[in-house]
Amino acid sequence: SAVISQKPSRDICQRGTSLTIQCQVDSQVTMMFWYRQQPGQSLTLIATANQGSEATYESGFVIDKFPISRPNLTFSTLTVSNMSPEDSSIYLCSATAGPPGTEAFFGQGTRLTVV
Amino acid sequence: GENVEQHPSTLSVQEGDSAVIKCTYSDSASNYFPWYKQELGKRPQLIIDIRSNVGEKKDQRIAVTLNKTAKHFSLHITETQPEDSAVYFCAASLPNSGYALNFGKGTSLLVTP
Repeated sequence: SAVISQKPSRDICQRGTSLTIQCQVDSQVTMMFWYRQQPGQSLTLIATANQGSEATYESGFVIDKFPISRPNLTFSTLTVSNMSPEDSSIYLCSATAGPPGTEAFFGQGTRLTVV
Repeated sequence: GENVEQHPSTLSVQEGDSAVIKCTYSDSASNYFPWYKQELGKRPQLIIDIRSNVGEKKDQRIAVTLNKTAKHFSLHITETQPEDSAVYFCAASLPNSGYALNFGKGTSLLVTP
């Protein structure tokens, strides 16, 4: 199994600013992902973080708004840029250590409130 | 794209009863179907999963069934306990990304003593 740590666990930010969320895995993993979860709602995939190359974004999410880095096999960052209140949500990092069809683990999430 | 429908959105059962949650998916190329349990304020945790080459899988009180032809899968919890109260999410692998998941909207399960 993999243990995933996210920082910060929560933050309150002013609109128009940016926040970078860090995700650290305690072991080498194959794939890393970023999801968004509105309170009481489901998880929506933002993007797949690719090591050493540009992330793969899902429909409705763009690099300018959610730049992602993954410099090595165990670390990734997600930046929420030029924030608005609509960006208030929980952001979750996820990782899987095996081939497709292997368990995906989740970080504890970052609860972001934009005021 | 892939669409995962989950029902019911809320489910209340008495302790000891069984609970069943059903999901359907749209893309026949999906081949991995995990179920996650999320307690309030906590991260999602995998409770059971099934791959498309298997029709049923059981782990103690929890079982999952998969009907590939009908494109639906179900979670069965027997002898429910208050500790089973949580939100349960089904998910299906995204066909163009064998690792990423598309989640259902979740089922809030309440087990009353």
